[in-house]
Amino acid sequence: AQTVTQSQPEMSVQEAETVTLSCTYDTSESDYYLFWYKQPPSRQMILVIRQEAYKQQNATENRFSVNFQKAAKSFSLKISDSQLGDAAMYFCAYRQEYGNKLVFGAGTILRVKS
Amino acid sequence: EAGVAQSPRYKIIEKRQSVAFWCNPISGHATLYWYQQILGQGPKLLIQFQNNGVVDDSQLPKDRFSAERLKGVDSTLKIQPAKLEDSAVYLCASRRPGQKDTEAFFGQGTRLTVV
Repeated sequence: AQTVTQSQPEMSVQEAETVTLSCTYDTSESDYYLFWYKQPPSRQMILVIRQEAYKQQNATENRFSVNFQKAAKSFSLKISDSQLGDAAMYFCAYRQEYGNKLVFGAGTILRVKS
Repeated sequence: EAGVAQSPRYKIIEKRQSVAFWCNPISGHATLYWYQQILGQGPKLLIQFQNNGVVDDSQLPKDRFSAERLKGVDSTLKIQPAKLEDSAVYLCASRRPGQKDTEAFFGQGTRLTVV
């Protein structure tokens, strides 16, 4: 069974600084998708960024980028120029290529200090 | 495009009572999921529907939880009788199947408190 591990229960960052959230996963599949979701206090789960395992290039979405290390089964999220609105719970998630189920990590609370 | 709608937003019940949650997925999304998110944990899949058929309910506590999606659109999740450990946020999500790179969209969830 696939598992996703987020070892940082909580992280803090100063506004305008950069922070990296860690995620590792375990799978025997070669093709799959990895995601970072943001969940603010409103509870709405919002997709931040997605990475296809067959792509070697790391995904980037504006201030959000990932460091995908397939051999190490590592998938970290870097947030540059952190803003107060980035404060939320962040979840790393895994999905098989043709599977439907998302497997989530336990989450990391990100606090942004002004 | 309207998002995934869930109701109610909040519910407080006593243990051993029953409760039901409703979800209306995005139009055209044949795949629907119910996740349970206990405080401090990541969401855990309870049940997945493809149209009105169940694809995966391996983690659904079937002695007390039930779910249906009769017409392949709206879905209800029921708990009867509720236990204290059922206190959680119940998230509904939907996805357009058949394309490997489509994402799941989530509703705002129902926060259940069992006292």
